[in-house]
Amino acid sequence: GESVGLHLPTLSVQEGDNSIINCAYSNSASDYFIWYKQESGKGPQFIIDIRSNMDKRQGQRVTVLLNKTVKHLSLQIAATQPGDSAVYFCAENDDYKLSFGAGTTVTVRA
Amino acid sequence: DARVTQTPRHKVTEMGQEVTMRCQPILGHNTVFWYRQTMMQGLELLAYFRNRAPLDDSGMPKDRFSAEMPDATLATLKIQPSEPRDSAVYFCASGTDTSPDTQYFGPGTRLTVL
Repeated sequence: GESVGLHLPTLSVQEGDNSIINCAYSNSASDYFIWYKQESGKGPQFIIDIRSNMDKRQGQRVTVLLNKTVKHLSLQIAATQPGDSAVYFCAENDDYKLSFGAGTTVTVRA
Repeated sequence: DARVTQTPRHKVTEMGQEVTMRCQPILGHNTVFWYRQTMMQGLELLAYFRNRAPLDDSGMPKDRFSAEMPDATLATLKIQPSEPRDSAVYFCASGTDTSPDTQYFGPGTRLTVL
């Protein structure tokens, strides 16, 4: 079965609010996770990654949190903008392979 | 702005026809991946190359799919004969084995087999 999954398939957020996208994984041995953003008609775009020796990592307007105890990670987007509308995937890296979750579609309301 | 390029972007063909999809990895990248994306299955890894050598094609239907890297700047994915169930978006991604965790995706080829 799929080892990486997202909690909600869709998320609607008001422009300017913060977004939180969740992801659960089942393999406790996983040591590296990536968030990708996929806009309509485009390929997945790398957003941010985190290794299992970290609990939190911040980028530009994005923060990834990793809770190894409950095997959960989340992507937080600050001050969500219309350009953030996309499908977001968490992925687990197993050696050279990427195992993707099903994706969460984020829609930003004006 | 280095990026992975894929051609064609869209392909409509009839069942039984041969389909060839091409990918140009980012210059200097030595790993190439082929993925297939469908609504039902999501993103699936089909094949993986390192330094032009195929290291993993376990995700690829062997009887009709083939992947090659004629040179470092070109990767191809062929389907012969194509079937309606092959309709999907096919992505190529490239990376380096010095930073194996980051893969850069191309824009994809949307294939429709009638």
